[in-house]
Amino acid sequence: GENVGLHLPTLSVQEGDNSIINCAYSNSASDYFIWYKQESGKGPQFIIDIRSNMDKRQGQRVTVLLNKTVKHLSLQIAATQPGDSAVYFCAENISEYGNKLVFGAGTILRVKS
Amino acid sequence: DGGITQSPKYLFRKEGQNVTLSCEQNLNHDAMYWYRQDPGQGLRLIYYSQIVNDFQKGDIAEGYSVSREKKESFPLTVTSAQKNPTAFYLCASSTYLGADTQYFGPGTRLTVL
Repeated sequence: GENVGLHLPTLSVQEGDNSIINCAYSNSASDYFIWYKQESGKGPQFIIDIRSNMDKRQGQRVTVLLNKTVKHLSLQIAATQPGDSAVYFCAENISEYGNKLVFGAGTILRVKS
Repeated sequence: DGGITQSPKYLFRKEGQNVTLSCEQNLNHDAMYWYRQDPGQGLRLIYYSQIVNDFQKGDIAEGYSVSREKKESFPLTVTSAQKNPTAFYLCASSTYLGADTQYFGPGTRLTVL
């Protein structure tokens, strides 16, 4: 929503630089992970996903890395653009939780021109 | 043009009133979800439906009700029993319940006057 960014961690990057957004997930049994982008006042937009049998997956300008040993997920955005400014959050599917997604609060990405 | 639609975009409610938020999808998805988003917090699951004529409570179902009479529609009613209903409400759908991408609608901002 309009105030979704309140009290969230912020990452500021210069236009053209690469961005890395991190997410620590909670459950070692999680088998599926998604990254979403949310602009102010809009619904979350799917960016990329990865299953637990993979360590890395690439999309257009984005890469997701999964480290199951330390339960860490990261989203890398190459050549960050002003249009990338938004809140980014990860979600994990926990089969023990009835196969429902659990969402992190998010990170604000601000791109400076 | 496929996707998820929510209406209205903004909704104002007086205390003691019930209001219904609409969610429609033409993606032929079996599973649908309602989430609530508050500033600085992750999405919280209100209700979900795995298939037509079936729905289950999520983590914060008190004060809310849903129906799933048609595959493409999953309306949410915010009742007067919900003590703090002002929030951004998001509807989502996926092909099936579980390790599958959820796609979100644009959201409804509900404000209690």
